[in-house]
Amino acid sequence: SQQGEEDPQALSIQEGENATMNCSYKTSINNLQWYRQNSGRGLVHLILIRSNEREKHSGRLRVTLDTSKKSSSLLITASRAADTASYFCATGGFKTIFGAGTRLFVKA
Amino acid sequence: EAQVTQNPRYLITVTGKKLTVTCSQNMNHEYMSWYRQDPGLGLRQIYYSMNVEVTDKGDVPEGYKVSRKEKRNFPLILESPSPNQTSLYFCASSFIDRSAVGGTNVLTFGAGSRLTVL
Repeated sequence: SQQGEEDPQALSIQEGENATMNCSYKTSINNLQWYRQNSGRGLVHLILIRSNEREKHSGRLRVTLDTSKKSSSLLITASRAADTASYFCATGGFKTIFGAGTRLFVKA
Repeated sequence: EAQVTQNPRYLITVTGKKLTVTCSQNMNHEYMSWYRQDPGLGLRQIYYSMNVEVTDKGDVPEGYKVSRKEKRNFPLILESPSPNQTSLYFCASSFIDRSAVGGTNVLTFGAGSRLTVL
């Protein structure tokens, strides 16, 4: 069963704009992770936020976590064409569960 | 270079012909896992292993087998492949974080193995 569900499924923006992706999950978590996947390639870990954290930053990435709403958001600021990829949230620890992903397309 | 290596990267086979997809990591990770990725469904976990000789089912284990005889290797075996196992497969590994309940793990992924079963 899919626990993490991303929204929107696809997002198209201009270079320089911000991109926001949302993830909802169903059960309690210890942490939530975001991964990036370039077309057909392996996933790359972006950021991990623990259940007792509300916000975390890494470079142009900002992740928030609202455990009361069972949701998280990933914000990419000042997007670049190279940010074009699919983004997945993941929960679950050993039984890591990924959502279906948000496809981001950044137009140069 | 720290990496997870999968082989083969591409394979076309026929129904019923046993095949093995190998996975090897050089980071001394305890945890290894297999996923399949299908359009619109994201990644679904097939099997995972927390250490040598310790394996457990993920969400979609039917039709697959795994073994963990050595820490670095975690092969995925399809005893009798069927067309519904046509997919993109990923192996991943990580350390186990014993300071967190549930074993927080940041996964390192292989490049993927695209399997077609005719």
